[in-house]
Amino acid sequence: EPEVTQTPSHQVTQMGQEVILRCVPISNHLYFYWYRQILGQKVEFLVSFYNNEISEKSEIFDDQFSVERPDGSNFTLKIRSTKLEDSAMYFCASSAGQGTDTQYFGPGTRLTVL
Amino acid sequence: AQKITQTQPGMFVQEKEAVTLDCTYDTSDPSYGLFWYKQPSSGEMIFLIYQGSYDQQNATEGRYSLNFQKARKSANLVISASQLGDSAMYFCAMRLSGGYQKVTFGIGTKLQVIP
Repeated sequence: EPEVTQTPSHQVTQMGQEVILRCVPISNHLYFYWYRQILGQKVEFLVSFYNNEISEKSEIFDDQFSVERPDGSNFTLKIRSTKLEDSAMYFCASSAGQGTDTQYFGPGTRLTVL
Repeated sequence: AQKITQTQPGMFVQEKEAVTLDCTYDTSDPSYGLFWYKQPSSGEMIFLIYQGSYDQQNATEGRYSLNFQKARKSANLVISASQLGDSAMYFCAMRLSGGYQKVTFGIGTKLQVIP
């Protein structure tokens, strides 16, 4: 069964450093998403991406964040200058369509900012 | 805006018994989808079941069923014949139609299955 994959599974970085989190969505999906989950808290939407542009973003997704689909398979989230409060689990998700189509999540990348 | 409420921070169930995890939602939009996801201790988010707001029948997927009561705005997850591997966090979530992208999650319920 096709699945969303994410690398790395765990990333440790120093405050102020740039990180890039990578995702490979399900191959025939057209809509891509990033969510984050701070330890012990609910999952929060960051951004959605369709047709090579951001279609929706939350207030969390400020200028420190950017997303890109550099090729036909990868979808990346970049955090330019990490802060301690960026420590969280980051989930990539994809869906075939919008509306109420199911979003399938990857296994997550645990980001630890020291 | 939409909101998901899960009022049970933790639940225990005996192995092989059934358990109901509560979820209520709030939206003024008439068209939406409701989802349940399972998050084991390993951290991944696993899709379990989906219910559309216009679906006439309650969704079922194997041992999972969704008790959808539209007038009460509730979408409870029922797990039958609980197994030890069902021990996990369970999140109720909602997504609106009409071009909205994000899924809104509840705070989750931690289910522990007792042998």
